[in-house]
Order: sequence, then structure tokens, then C-alpha cells
Amino acid sequence: GAGVSQSPRYKVAKRGQDVALRCDPISGHVSLFWYQQALGQGPEFLTYFQNEAQLDKSGLPSDRFFAERPEGSVSTLKIQRTQQEDSAVYLCASSRGRSNQPQHFGDGTRLSIL
Amino acid sequence: QKEVEQNSGPLSVPEGAIASLNCTYSDRGSQSFFWYRQYSGKSPELIMFIYSNGDKEDGRFTAQLNKASQYVSLLIRDSQPSDSATYLCAVALDNYGQNFVFGPGTRLSVLP
Repeated sequence: GAGVSQSPRYKVAKRGQDVALRCDPISGHVSLFWYQQALGQGPEFLTYFQNEAQLDKSGLPSDRFFAERPEGSVSTLKIQRTQQEDSAVYLCASSRGRSNQPQHFGDGTRLSIL
Repeated sequence: QKEVEQNSGPLSVPEGAIASLNCTYSDRGSQSFFWYRQYSGKSPELIMFIYSNGDKEDGRFTAQLNKASQYVSLLIRDSQPSDSATYLCAVALDNYGQNFVFGPGTRLSVLP
């Protein structure tokens, strides 16, 4: 596809369950970013990959959050032992990775923890 | 702490008017500046980016950057009801593809 693809679009989980969110970036984009967006707020950075290397994970809120991109393409964000405060929209973005390149966003996954 | 500030709005303008959206940032090392539009329930969509001081025009949109004042703005001429959305300002610290810092967004309402 032409754009960033995320799945699932919606995810409902019970508190304490593990969830996995998938992101398929634009073909050829070496940089991949995960953001968390709460209602009425701007996206907050979680983590960043360049190819398969996770270069920055400073935004991950706790050790329950884990992201991987093993082959430098598709990425998965995993949240273990979910809490209600994890409820948010999780956005994935990709870019060419060269200097000053804009990031292009997927439609996001809306996660609701009951 | 790198911060990006925007008025949350809502900013209401009549159809056909100029909408002016403002953004300030705290980190003087910021290099690249982006404006995204986000409709309710949708993902952010890139509108414009600007790297150098001055104005950059694209159709009805003009981005203005003043690095000395740490200020970037977006002007929308001939505003249309379809422009009603939240506008996010994003700032990148350096030139090496690092993450953006987003402002909270300004809600724009264009009244028919």
C-alpha cells in the first residue's frame, strides 16, 4: 500500500492482558516512530527505529512497553499487563530517515483498557 | 524539557477569512518545523514544513518561521468549512530523523 498501515484499528482489552499493535511503514522508509496520543492532546513520542535498530526508547512510559522491528520493516508495539492509563490512540509514523524528512502517519490503533 | 506551545482554541473564523495559527517552542536548537492537520478520529496529515527563517507558501497555506523569536505560524487564506480541524505544530531538534515534539494542537472552526 501507499501509506502507513496499522492494525488493529480498535482494540479492547481487560486490565492485565497483553496487547500487540502492528505497524507496516511506507515502503523504503528507514525510520519508524511510535507515538501515544491522549484525547485532546498532541502525539507524545514513545520510541524510534532506524532500520532494525531501536535508537531511542526514552518515551516508553514503563518497562511494560516493548517495541521491535526485527527485519527493519514491520514493527510491533507490545504492552504487557495493561493498565487503564494505557488507553489512548497509538500512532505509527515513518520517514525516509534523511535529514529534515517529514513523518507520515498511519490511522492509529485506538486502545481501550477496561 | 523541550516544549512546544499552542493555543488550544477553539479559534473560530468566518468562511473566506484568514486563519492564523501560532506556535512557540523552547529549544533554540530546533531545526525543522512541521504543521499537521488532524480531523477528529483521524491521523495527523502533513500540510507544510519549513526549515529557514521567513515565509513559505503552498496554495492557500503560508508557514512563517522566526527562529530568533522561537515562533512559527500557519496562515490559511480563504478559509473553508473543510479546514475545520485540529492543527498540530511539530518541531524536530536536529537534522537526523529524530522524533518530533508536538504541541497540543489548536482547534480551528470555520463558520459557513
